[in-house]
Amino acid sequence: DTGVSQDPRHKITKRGQNVTFRCDPISEHNRLYWYRQTLGQGPEFLTYFQNEAQLEKSRLLSDRFSAERPKGSFSTLEIQRTEQGDSAMYLCASSLPGLNQPQHFGDGTRLSIL
Amino acid sequence: GNSVTQMEGPVTLSEEAFLTINCTYTATGYPSLFWYVQYPGEGLQLLLKATKADDKGSNKGFEATYRKETTSFHLEKGSVQVSDSAVYFCALSEEETSGSRLTFGEGTQLTVNP
Repeated sequence: DTGVSQDPRHKITKRGQNVTFRCDPISEHNRLYWYRQTLGQGPEFLTYFQNEAQLEKSRLLSDRFSAERPKGSFSTLEIQRTEQGDSAMYLCASSLPGLNQPQHFGDGTRLSIL
Repeated sequence: GNSVTQMEGPVTLSEEAFLTINCTYTATGYPSLFWYVQYPGEGLQLLLKATKADDKGSNKGFEATYRKETTSFHLEKGSVQVSDSAVYFCALSEEETSGSRLTFGEGTQLTVNP
């Protein structure tokens, strides 16, 4: 069990640029989640996949955000035309299917918008 | 909708002191309850969970009991160590009404002094 892996750990970019983050879940986990965490707050749900299907999206996920999980394994989260308010830690988690399964988190990607 | 409220922090204790971090929740159905811990620069780690009323979750000396009558899931530890210094998040998930998403509290920063 190698854990949930996220890349990059840190991303600094200028306002208006596009960024893409990658998440590799634990191999036998078919559920994958994205959360956003700002300083001093708890994580907020963005979206989740079961296999390759995106089953739920938060209203926090504006049109500038898109997530994919094309083969049901790794996932990418893209933010287009970044804004200052996008600065946050982006966390990925994965879990086994079924009720009450705990989610296992990666170390996150910290995004800073200049 | 669902929500989680944690006691305001930060909390500062001396080593071997007793710890309580309060957590109450609002949910429309029958949620599962979790405590996660976040060490500096790292992602969230599951500390313990409880899936039904009166269940007690425990791990590494920490305990929390699912109290449906008071909608609470308070975290306790009898004797804290310096290594317990971290941010603690209470969270719930409710598969039936909100899929698998986790709803987090704002977190409580714990500092344990030697």
